[in-house]
Amino acid sequence: DAGVIQSPRHEVTEMGQEVTLRCKPISGHDYLFWYRQTMMRGLELLIYFNNNVPIDDSGMPEDRFSAKMPNASFSTLKIQPSEPRDSAVYFCASSFRQGRTEAFFGQGTRLTVV
Amino acid sequence: KQEVTQIPAALSVPEGENLVLNCSFTDSAIYNLQWFRQDPGKGLTSLLLIQSSQREQTSGRLNASLDKSSGRSTLYIAASQPGDSATYLCAVGNNDMRFGAGTRLTVKP
Repeated sequence: DAGVIQSPRHEVTEMGQEVTLRCKPISGHDYLFWYRQTMMRGLELLIYFNNNVPIDDSGMPEDRFSAKMPNASFSTLKIQPSEPRDSAVYFCASSFRQGRTEAFFGQGTRLTVV
Repeated sequence: KQEVTQIPAALSVPEGENLVLNCSFTDSAIYNLQWFRQDPGKGLTSLLLIQSSQREQTSGRLNASLDKSSGRSTLYIAASQPGDSATYLCAVGNNDMRFGAGTRLTVKP
């Protein structure tokens, strides 16, 4: 397997625009996590899914953020409208039987909102 | 909500030293604890996974221990090398996975 794949790797957008980040988990993994990393706050858990169902979205900072997982091989994190304070690195991770096996991370998407 | 703390925040050692990184967590009802390494501008690489029923795991020069009852884990790095320079993060796993802020390690040649 190629690992967790995120796209795009870098995204620069203007304030107010819609941004969509994409993630393909490792095949067979049943948990998917979205994190945001900043210097100030470290790695924050935004939302996680189990078998494509959102389990806990309490980390999503505002209603401007939304995430979907339409099938086992694809998830999106959308920010609409984007703001400069959303600038961060967004990571996706997946695991099989969370807690019993290792979690694997994608390379992240570096988002800059100007 | 699980709170994870890592001490120290930064550490600088000469090459060849043995060192210990610390991780503490507030809720002992965990499934596992995982140690990751992150190089600047890169993603996270898994180093070791300890299940809640285990006391330690070893991989090469790395040894991780877990004391669930006291809410602590340590990562021991033997004979450190400049290539070990990176940020080390611990993540406490339940149904979710919560991270500490990391320890930034610099190993000087």
